[in-house]
This record gives sequence, structure tokens and C-alpha cells, in this order.
Amino acid sequence: ETGVTQSPTHLIKTRGQQVTLRCSSQSGHNTVSWYQQALGQGPQFIFQYYREEENGRGNFPPRFSGLQFPNYSSELNVNALELDDSALYLCASSSEWNTEAFFGQGTRLTVV
Amino acid sequence: AQTVTQSQPEMSVQEAETVTLSCTYDTSESDYYLFWYKQPPSRQMILVIRQEAYKQQNATENRFSVNFQKAAKSFSLKISDSQLGDAAMYFCAGGNEKLTFGTGTRLTIIP
Repeated sequence: ETGVTQSPTHLIKTRGQQVTLRCSSQSGHNTVSWYQQALGQGPQFIFQYYREEENGRGNFPPRFSGLQFPNYSSELNVNALELDDSALYLCASSSEWNTEAFFGQGTRLTVV
Repeated sequence: AQTVTQSQPEMSVQEAETVTLSCTYDTSESDYYLFWYKQPPSRQMILVIRQEAYKQQNATENRFSVNFQKAAKSFSLKISDSQLGDAAMYFCAGGNEKLTFGTGTRLTIIP
């Protein structure tokens, strides 16, 4: 059983650019949630995807968008990057049968 | 949970001793779960323990146990026989699939 994997582990982008982060969910999981963790803070819920449909969204602007694919992997896209978007982005997968969320190791995004 | 509060930014404990991390929450949901996660420097969130809100019995996982006081909306984590490997950031979280996290408590283990 493979765990949750995220790519890339680190990246640096320039303000105004666009970025795509990727997440492969754990085998057997059909739900993926994305979180933003600013330095020194707890993770904040961005949105969740269940069976390829958005299933709840936190207090993030529309330039944060996502996708979930038929194999339940997921992407997080952020347009028009701002300096405050610099953070650790965490992906978590779970199944409808078990609320335990398994997290990936995160992607550290730096916007300069 | 809609808000989760951890009032202890940092805690330290002597190796082999017991430490308790505090957490309070507020929610309007009737069905929810509460969690403690550990985040070592490797950044990956690791589930330590989970409590279903409808269960009165406190959850226990080996050296880790919780004191769940539903009426007081309190959910503290007790770590017994602290080990060097327990050093990490600890986050309290609540919700039902979509989690709300506290700001974390940095736990240091003193050899």
C-alpha cells in the first residue's frame, strides 16, 4: 500500500506567476484535501475533492483551484502568485469509510 | 470544528516524564472527530490519536492518551514516558473530513 506522495518537494516562483502542485493519494482513497501551512502556523483548509468533484472549500480566493483525476490523484493550481502564498502545501487523502486523513510530506512554495 | 485553540506555543519535558498538551475547540457540528497530529522537522503530519466525539471513553494509543471533556470543549493530549523521538510540533485538529487545526505546540524533550 503506497502512501501519499507530493511533487515537487520545493519550488521557487516569481510573483504573478502560476504554479501547479501534484498529489498522489493513498491506494484505495477517493478523497483528497489540500491545506496551506504558513510558517509558524497550523494548516488551513483550502478545498477537498471527492470522486472528481469539489466537496467543500475554505476561505481562499478563486485563484486557488484544483482538479481530481479518475485515479483520484489531484492538482492544486494557484494563479497570480502573491508573496503571501509562500507556504508549505499539504495534501491529505482519505476514504469515505474512514475519516483518518493520511498526509503527504508537503510542497514548500517560495514566492519571490 | 470551526475554531481550535492551543494556548501553549512551547512545552518541554524531561525524558521518561509525563507531559500534557492542551487544546480547546468550538463547533456547531453534532458529529465530529478530534485529532492530535505530530509534525517532525520532516514536515509530514503523522496521526497520533483520534477521538470520536460521540464516544465518552477517552482514546488511548500506547503512551498517548487524551482527556476529552465534551461539555467543556476540551481535548488534551497526555504523553507518558516521554522519549527523544517525541520531540516535534503537535497540532490539535477537529472536524469531519475537513479539518480545522490549532496553531501548534512545540514539544522539546530534555535528555
